[in-house]
Amino acid sequence: SQTIHQWPATLVQPVGSPLSLECTVEGTSNPNLYWYRQAAGRGLQLLFYSVGIGQISSEVPQNLSASRPQDRQFILSSKKLLLSDSGFYLCAWSGPTEAFFGQGTRLTVV
Amino acid sequence: GQQLNQSPQSMFIQEGEDVSMNCTSSSIFNTWLWYKQDPGEGPVLLIALYKAGELTSNGRLTAQFGITRKDSFLNISASIPSDVGIYFCAGQRAGGTSYGKLTFGQGTILTVHP
Repeated sequence: SQTIHQWPATLVQPVGSPLSLECTVEGTSNPNLYWYRQAAGRGLQLLFYSVGIGQISSEVPQNLSASRPQDRQFILSSKKLLLSDSGFYLCAWSGPTEAFFGQGTRLTVV
Repeated sequence: GQQLNQSPQSMFIQEGEDVSMNCTSSSIFNTWLWYKQDPGEGPVLLIALYKAGELTSNGRLTAQFGITRKDSFLNISASIPSDVGIYFCAGQRAGGTSYGKLTFGQGTILTVHP
């Protein structure tokens, strides 16, 4: 069966520090991969979308970047975090007929 | 970008009442998905719909894929306190450059009073 792993679960980082969140998928090949941010427990804002290795679409201008070095690995990064980067980050994958989320990372920038 | 209009934005109901929420789009989707998110967790898939007109149940939950392929609804019958959470609809496009890409509604926050 397919599983998705996202880590860490929580992270507290100082302003100006780098960020690296990792997401891996098991049990499927060539998934579409997504990074979402959720503020204040409401809507899901799509940050990045990938249909394959090295193929990244950025949905909103921001202080973050994404990379997909392997088929089932998706990484969210920042060189210098801002206070406004705080939030709940979710990784997801989708195949032709279904989509699943990771457990999320609560990022607090202090 | 493509948006799904999900309503209502929030609902406050008494335990035992039925709940209905829906999503509409100006574009056609070939798959509709409904999720529930508990606080601090990732959304969990509740129901997936793959055919226009399809009506699918999962316990007290029932969802339908609209006949025009541009809308879907989710009903919860006899609500209980653990139904509290945020419910999201999501659609996957039927074709074009966005094939397979997920689009989410804004979410419905459900509060159930005992």
